[in-house]
Amino acid sequence: EAQVTQNPRYLITVTGKKLTVTCSQNMNHEYMSWYRQDPGLGLRQIYYSMNVEVTDKGDVPEGYKVSRKEKRNFPLILESPSPNQTSLYFCASSPRLAKNTGELFFGEGSRLTVL
Amino acid sequence: ELKVEQNPLFLSMQEEKNYTIYCNYSTTSDRLYWYRQDPGKSLESLFVLLSNGAVKQEGRLMASLDTKARLSTLHITAAVHDLSATYFCAVEILGGADGLTFGKGTHLIIQP
Repeated sequence: EAQVTQNPRYLITVTGKKLTVTCSQNMNHEYMSWYRQDPGLGLRQIYYSMNVEVTDKGDVPEGYKVSRKEKRNFPLILESPSPNQTSLYFCASSPRLAKNTGELFFGEGSRLTVL
Repeated sequence: ELKVEQNPLFLSMQEEKNYTIYCNYSTTSDRLYWYRQDPGKSLESLFVLLSNGAVKQEGRLMASLDTKARLSTLHITAAVHDLSATYFCAVEILGGADGLTFGKGTHLIIQP
């Protein structure tokens, strides 16, 4: 089954404790991206990657890191989480045809609470 | 900077009624996407609109795109309770590969 898999789905942590949210897709998509969703703000892009070893900042990259060492994986790293990073996080991928982002396929989401 | 505005942001309607959700955007684009999100769930792709005048229909939902007006609409015909969800439009800048910009979403409640 074609899917985007995120882990963990739910996490409660404390300020300053490093954490990683993993994302893996099995569709051989070139493009991967992370969004955060907050009430009243919709979805905002954190980072994206157009291919292996190519990453770039989205609209709200502060406090986050990413890496793309393999095509299928795109982990989101919070080096020192703070309460304002409490949010619902979505990983997404797309085949990126003709140099456009294209239709995104989303993971199930990871709900993160930072105390 | 691309801005995407949806309205209304909240809509409560009765079954069997018709209504339209609007999505306006600020920069030239001919690629627009509609997604549905159920509470606590992920986003599900509904429609992909890739040219001016594009119209797509699935069941009671119909989406259209007017690139000259920078406007897309999602029309609901004879609403049923199962269509209750949050609907997002998302726009892609022409020639851009830096992701989609989402509207804030329209929270739709359809009451029996």
